[in-house]
Amino acid sequence: DVKVTQSSRYLVKRTGEKVFLECVQDMDHENMFWYRQDPGLGLRLIYFSYDVKMKEKGDIPEGYSVSREKKERFSLILESASTNQTSMYLCASQPVGDGKHEQYFGPGTRLTVT
Amino acid sequence: AQRVTQPEKLLSVFKGAPVELKCNYSYSGSPELFWYVQYSRQRLQLLLRHISRESIKGFTADLNKGETSFHLKKPFAQEEDSAMYYCAPDNYGQNFVFGPGTRLSVLP
Repeated sequence: DVKVTQSSRYLVKRTGEKVFLECVQDMDHENMFWYRQDPGLGLRLIYFSYDVKMKEKGDIPEGYSVSREKKERFSLILESASTNQTSMYLCASQPVGDGKHEQYFGPGTRLTVT
Repeated sequence: AQRVTQPEKLLSVFKGAPVELKCNYSYSGSPELFWYVQYSRQRLQLLLRHISRESIKGFTADLNKGETSFHLKKPFAQEEDSAMYYCAPDNYGQNFVFGPGTRLSVLP
């Protein structure tokens, strides 16, 4: 059973703080993703990584950075949190190989920036 | 640009009624199509994928390449089907776009 875990379920931060969201997967998946989920907008891709130390910008990378130093861990960093980054953040992992594969999601982190 | 549309933000049906959640995509190539579901207080998870041609929890989805649609259907909705549903094409692992989602509410 694939397990994707996120470090926090709920997080409250102040404007201007540096925020770290951690994601860990235990199935040796190559691809990992960070999305934000907002009502009416669905899931929007922030960044994804297809290998250790590799990253690609998604649709809304502004204000975010990521780090993937180990295959199982993918971190999302908000350098200076702003109120418009209040959202639900979802991490996902995905194997690559034969065919196309589903993404496996973590439980989400609800971030509130005040 | 790759686009996915789900025209209904909210769909309410009565228990036992048929349900159809619409998904249209604008993609180059031939993407693999997925439907994901998120039940209340649960994580987002795969419901079904086009390539499997399977029925999951009574749901099926037909790919219409001419209309570029991948609508999700169930002949008799159940209350436990109430959830958020997302359509997601994946074009050879290079595009990760989800539709805006449709919230299905099945009324007793």
